[in-house]
Amino acid sequence: NFMLTQPHSVSASPGTTVTISCSGNSGSIASNYVQWFQQRPGSAPTTVIYDHDQRPSGVPDRFSGSIDTSSMSASLTISGLKPEDEADYYCQSYDRINLWVFGGGTKLTVL
Amino acid sequence: QVQLVESGGGVVQPGRSLRLSCAASGFTFGSYGMHWVRQAPGKGLEWVAAIWYDGTNKYYGDSVKGRFTISRDNPKSTLYLQMNSLKAEDTAFYYCARDPSGYGFDHWGQGTLVTVSS
Repeated sequence: NFMLTQPHSVSASPGTTVTISCSGNSGSIASNYVQWFQQRPGSAPTTVIYDHDQRPSGVPDRFSGSIDTSSMSASLTISGLKPEDEADYYCQSYDRINLWVFGGGTKLTVL
Repeated sequence: QVQLVESGGGVVQPGRSLRLSCAASGFTFGSYGMHWVRQAPGKGLEWVAAIWYDGTNKYYGDSVKGRFTISRDNPKSTLYLQMNSLKAEDTAFYYCARDPSGYGFDHWGQGTLVTVSS
């Protein structure tokens, strides 16, 4: 089964840069696009990155996505951290057998 | 701007049925694949079902296959999820989401809560 693994939690201080990883257990993560979603407490998810590294309109360029094909992993990097960035972040990708798969989510705490 | 508005959630007894709707606006609905994604209280996101832009292809997660049916009405810009034989473990917020490429989601609705309980 295709699975995506994220750290349970990360923390960082305002103004710094944080990177959240998303590791796949097969090459599907490299050959299919990865998306990243932000979910603040009590709210619906919103997309911050789609198609590996594209930002929907309105998402600040402090958010960036990347893929490392050699390690079969994707990363979400948030620079210039703000208190409002505190949220759960989910990665998601596609696999021909398991179809649309989510990571377990990472809780970002802005200290 | 893109808007997705779900409705139809509520409290339902185990074994009963419920139909969710997702009204879309701000884009050409018939040009996009659409999905339902759910989230049990305090848990992560789980993909439920997908439908191609023209309704010709439909896909389901293992946990709902045979019980749930996804459909769409492109002239009405509306997505549906018919949920039959509901179980307690189907209790969740249900979100509709737009798919720009076949790989994932770029816009989400605000969600509707389904509670399956006797």
